[in-house]
Amino acid sequence: QVQLQQWGAGLLKPSETLSLTCTVYGGSFSGNYWSWIRQPPGKGLEWIGEINHGGSTNYNPSLKSRVTISIDTSKNQFSLKLSSMTAADTAVYYCARWWPIRAPWGQGTLVTVSS
Amino acid sequence: DIVMTQTPLSLSVTPGQPASISCKSSQSLLHSNGKTYLYWYLQKPGQPPQLLIYEVSNRFSGVPDRFSGSGSGTDFTLKISRVEAEDVGVYYCMQSVQLPHTFGQGTKLEIK
Repeated sequence: QVQLQQWGAGLLKPSETLSLTCTVYGGSFSGNYWSWIRQPPGKGLEWIGEINHGGSTNYNPSLKSRVTISIDTSKNQFSLKLSSMTAADTAVYYCARWWPIRAPWGQGTLVTVSS
Repeated sequence: DIVMTQTPLSLSVTPGQPASISCKSSQSLLHSNGKTYLYWYLQKPGQPPQLLIYEVSNRFSGVPDRFSGSGSGTDFTLKISRVEAEDVGVYYCMQSVQLPHTFGQGTKLEIK
């Protein structure tokens, strides 16, 4: 059974770069798409982007200029970088398997941007 | 972007009673391959969203059969035949027929 465990810094200053990593345990890493999704406190869900095992990516246009999703198949990991962080980027960030089935999701990482 | 609109935004249900949530999309979610990419998630308090229904009407592994999904094109419905206490949380619909994938604003289910 696939499980996702994510980690990364939870407190950033404005203009810093967010860096999160998600490790996939169990199941097959290849042949899948993997995504990042975020949720501001008390608000709804926003899809950030996705990557497949070959490194092909799709990003939400609203964040595309600041987002990089990468993959390390040797470690069964994929990562998110979001640059030029502001308070508006404060959210819980989730990783998730996205294809062929859009589950499971990681436990989430609360990222707070504050000076 | 495809806009997903859920109604109602909140509902309070007596245990054992049915519940229904509507999700309307601003464009058809029917893909050229014949599949319709509409999903339902439940986010319980303090937890990540969990997949309930995929491609309109398919229950994900382990999801009780009191949950069912229906609809086509731009109009979709999630039904709970008999609400239980463990069903509390926020329900989201999501489309993935077109990038970027987008979610509804969520429907909060409470127990009376």
